[in-house]
Amino acid sequence: DAGVTQSPTHLIKTRGQQVTLRCSPKSGHDTVSWYQQALGQGPQFIFQYYEEEERQRGNFPDRFSGHQFPNYSSELNVNALLLGDSALYLCASSFDRRIGETQYFGPGTRLLVL
Amino acid sequence: QKEVEQDPGPLSVPEGAIVSLNCTYSNSAFQYFMWYRQYSRKGPELLMYTYSSGNKEDGRFTAQVDKSSKYISLFIRDSQPSDSATYLCAMTPSGANSKLTFGKGITLSVRP
Repeated sequence: DAGVTQSPTHLIKTRGQQVTLRCSPKSGHDTVSWYQQALGQGPQFIFQYYEEEERQRGNFPDRFSGHQFPNYSSELNVNALLLGDSALYLCASSFDRRIGETQYFGPGTRLLVL
Repeated sequence: QKEVEQDPGPLSVPEGAIVSLNCTYSNSAFQYFMWYRQYSRKGPELLMYTYSSGNKEDGRFTAQVDKSSKYISLFIRDSQPSDSATYLCAMTPSGANSKLTFGKGITLSVRP
């Protein structure tokens, strides 16, 4: 059973560019959350998608947007990249209606903005 | 003040030592508490998950939650070099499926 997968593994962009990161949830999962983890920090919640809608959002600007597809996979888009957007971007998946369900994380996409 | 504070590191212990990792929090709405382990260049992996106050044991790991003090701990007994990783506490008010608020993480090194 494949766990959460993310692509690409690494990415280098320049300031002002746009980037799209992709996530495939663990089999059977229908909820996808995105987190940003800066170097030496804990992950910070960006947003969560369920039934193709953004259900919950953290304290991130509108430059961060997302999408969930009918097969539950998800994309994270970041526009007008800033140097401070350099981080590990983590995707986590879970099953919404399972009591006590926790989130399973993928390996992340490491983004470097120059 | 951050919602979740985690003891600063790094922490280095000899093999076989008992390790105590701690977090404090300010949001009394937090009800679900987790500990994740993150190896270098990997995503976090769930270690322990507890609801409300109390203790939970799983092999060499014990998680404790004291909601009255807003304090959680993870104990690792008989620590092994393979336990060397970053440990993150995380918590949420409304089920582990929703937004997780993490501590900063502490890097543990277990010396053979």
